[in-house]
Amino acid sequence: EAGVAQSPRYKIIEKRQSVAFWCNPISGHATLYWYQQILGQGPKLLIQFQNNGVVDDSQLPKDRFSAERLKGVDSTLKIQPAKLEDSAVYLCASRPALRTGHTGELFFGEGSRLTVL
Amino acid sequence: GENVEQHPSTLSVQEGDSAVIKCTYSDSASNYFPWYKQELGKGPQLIIDIRSNVGEKKDQRIAVTLNKTAKHFSLHITETQPEDSAVYFCAATSYNQGGKLIFGQGTELSVKP
Repeated sequence: EAGVAQSPRYKIIEKRQSVAFWCNPISGHATLYWYQQILGQGPKLLIQFQNNGVVDDSQLPKDRFSAERLKGVDSTLKIQPAKLEDSAVYLCASRPALRTGHTGELFFGEGSRLTVL
Repeated sequence: GENVEQHPSTLSVQEGDSAVIKCTYSDSASNYFPWYKQELGKGPQLIIDIRSNVGEKKDQRIAVTLNKTAKHFSLHITETQPEDSAVYFCAATSYNQGGKLIFGQGTELSVKP
């Protein structure tokens, strides 16, 4: 079974430029997450989708970050304009739809490493 | 919201020794506690998890213990091997939190041959 696919793996941009990351979750996984992982820290949730609807975007800096999941499959995360502090690895994760009362494993992609100069 | 604290941030052991990593959480509603291993350049991968109705779970050389009263859980790795070297993250969540994982800060484990 194919895992979570992310691209690009690496991106270097200058501050105030824009960047977009793409994620293709595991087939059939209804729930998709974007996490930001700054060097030396644990992943921090940015946004959660259930199918094509946003469940939680409370930690997303909406003045510069946006995300969408059209058709409930692939997702893109965009940053515009980028700041130096956005340098991080952006991880996409997916899981099957939550069953009432139960949680379970998140499957992560390898991440997209962003460097903002 | 939930907050997860993890210690130590770095841990160095000799091959064959045991390693213990500890985490505390703040939200008493959390009921699912996974541990993830992240190798260099890779995404985190689940190695073991525990639910709040269980106090301990074991899988070969890896075990996790949970103390709900103290809001504390730990990862135990016995007979460590060089391939265990990686960054380990604990996390906490519940169904009512949408299953979103709140991660600790990570522990970089180094196993010296």
